[in-house]
Amino acid sequence: AQSVSQHNHHVILSEAASLELGCNYSYGGTVNLFWYVQYPGQHLQLLLKYFSGDPLVKGIKGFEAEFIKSKFSFNLRKPSVQWSDTAEYFCAVILASGGSYIPTFGRGTSLIVHP
Amino acid sequence: NAGVMQNPRHLVRRRGQEARLRCSPMKGHSHVYWYRQLPEEGLKFMVYLQKENIIDESGMPKERFSAEFPKEGPSILRIQQVVRGDSAAYFCASSYTNDYGYTFGSGTRLTVV
Repeated sequence: AQSVSQHNHHVILSEAASLELGCNYSYGGTVNLFWYVQYPGQHLQLLLKYFSGDPLVKGIKGFEAEFIKSKFSFNLRKPSVQWSDTAEYFCAVILASGGSYIPTFGRGTSLIVHP
Repeated sequence: NAGVMQNPRHLVRRRGQEARLRCSPMKGHSHVYWYRQLPEEGLKFMVYLQKENIIDESGMPKERFSAEFPKEGPSILRIQQVVRGDSAAYFCASSYTNDYGYTFGSGTRLTVV
């Protein structure tokens, strides 16, 4: 069965620091990849997604992610975080090639940004 | 254009009661997914439905849990005879097609006392 790994469960940064959150998946076929953000007490919101094309994807709020097929990775980055980025971040994968099209989520990474 | 609407936002039930969670997908969306979120565990898939059909319920507990998505009206996640371990946030997501992108509702936080 496919799985999604987010190795950093808790990340604490100061404002203006750079951010990189890891996401690795286990499936070798064609995948669609997503990053979601969940602010405290709120629902998940889509940050960015990758279906095909340029492996460097730009999302909202200054976030970007790079799909590296050879490493089965889709890491999320932001050059300079803000206090308002404090949230839970989830990576999700869909098997696009004959799969069930059900998003599988990673466990999530809790990001705390100190002002 | 309303997003995915879930109600109630908060639901408190005593052990042994029934819990009904509702999800109205975005207009035009015919695919609905239910997830359960437990602290420190992320989102766990429960069930995927299209109108009047359960497509995949591999994540649903075999007993006490059921889901439906009727031709008219919202999708319902029903938990019978709730136990303390059912306390969690339950999120619904909908999509236009099955790989287009998913919009989540605000969730229902179920507390079993």
